[in-house]
Amino acid sequence: SQQGEEDPQALSIQEGENATMNCSYKTSINNLQWYRQNSGRGLVHLILIRSNEREKHSGRLRVTLDTSKKSSSLLITASRAADTASYFCATKQGGSEKLVFGKGTKLTVNP
Amino acid sequence: NAGVTQTPKFQVLKTGQSMTLQCAQDMNHEYMSWYRQDPGMGLRLIHYSVGAGITDQGEVPNGYNVSRSTTEDFPLRLLSAAPSQTSVYFCASSYTYDRDEQYFGPGTRLTVT
Repeated sequence: SQQGEEDPQALSIQEGENATMNCSYKTSINNLQWYRQNSGRGLVHLILIRSNEREKHSGRLRVTLDTSKKSSSLLITASRAADTASYFCATKQGGSEKLVFGKGTKLTVNP
Repeated sequence: NAGVTQTPKFQVLKTGQSMTLQCAQDMNHEYMSWYRQDPGMGLRLIHYSVGAGITDQGEVPNGYNVSRSTTEDFPLRLLSAAPSQTSVYFCASSYTYDRDEQYFGPGTRLTVT
């Protein structure tokens, strides 16, 4: 069964607005990763946050991790039309060799 | 570096046929994995390998075989294709299994009729 669940399933915003996506998971993890997938393409890694980290930034991306609530959020600031894609969280459970993906959030940024 | 390459890009099979999806990486990554992506289901792990000669099952291994004879290659075999295996297949690799991001190939779109 899938470990991470993204919320919302779909999000539509205007260019320049911020986009926030959430991911919840069920068991303890080593790390949590966010990936982007443009339509018809493979996944591209965005950011990795370890279980002992609470926040991480990369350009316009901000990821938070709350291990007590078993949840993470991905914030994209000042969104652009090129940010239109599906975004997936993936978790590596403690002691496991498997990286398990959620079902994704489909983000549409309207120009 | 070419990164992670997958062949073919598209394939149509008849029920009961067999085929091998090829995956190769030139980054000397130890960890390689196969996922399938179906609408509304996200990515599901089929098989993975933590190094040459070592493979293990993921969430949905039935109907698929893998082997890892070299660090570079990780082929996925469908022994007797079924319509339920119609999907997009992605291969991915990373340096290690527990610390690093995965690099994905472009995918193979498989249709089984």
